[in-house]
Amino acid sequence: SAVISQKPSRDICQRGTSLTIQCQVDSQVTMMFWYRQQPGQSLTLIATANQGSEATYESGFVIDKFPISRPNLTFSTLTVSNMSPEDSSIYLCSVNFGNSGANVLTFGAGSRLTVL
Amino acid sequence: DAKTTQPTSMDCAEGRAANLPCNHSTISGNEYVYWYRQIHSQGPQYIIHGLKNNETNEMASLIITEDRKSSTLILPHATLRDTAVYYCIVRPSGGSYIPTFGRGTSLIVHP
Repeated sequence: SAVISQKPSRDICQRGTSLTIQCQVDSQVTMMFWYRQQPGQSLTLIATANQGSEATYESGFVIDKFPISRPNLTFSTLTVSNMSPEDSSIYLCSVNFGNSGANVLTFGAGSRLTVL
Repeated sequence: DAKTTQPTSMDCAEGRAANLPCNHSTISGNEYVYWYRQIHSQGPQYIIHGLKNNETNEMASLIITEDRKSSTLILPHATLRDTAVYYCIVRPSGGSYIPTFGRGTSLIVHP
């Protein structure tokens, strides 16, 4: 399976600032996915990042708030802009990776963001 | 997008089998059942998947009913490290379909 490195693993930020989360995959993948996990909640898909095109955002998420870059097939960034305490969450990067014919999602360890 | 229903929480004694049920009564013919788990402060981890036959790997067994409307994930000898939230998801294999995660089952393995 793919190995995904995310950084930062955690951060504490001030209201109104922005933070960029990086996701590095050890193999080339077509699509990369960004999820948010609010405290005590399940995972919610933010957007799908394809190399060479704009990200596709899910309902309730907009590019101005969560700009995404996908400069190549192994790397993506998610920026959380103009942060408020409501943005305190774990942000997870994920890729689809074949596993003996399966279509398995592999996740990074996540970036735990606390906004004061 | 077939929905799944899982109990909110379960507990199990260490060394015993943990049997986690999942109801997916609206599953369609080309959808597989996947199980993931999320240990606290980590990203979700793939466990196992199946279509209609029972499956077993080094982590767990998956039992799917004949009508495919429900399944059970079995951890044969649960350890404290198996304490996690377990997610049951249905999705087609292959393609670009992105699964959605429900609330899952919080399994607590106690000594």
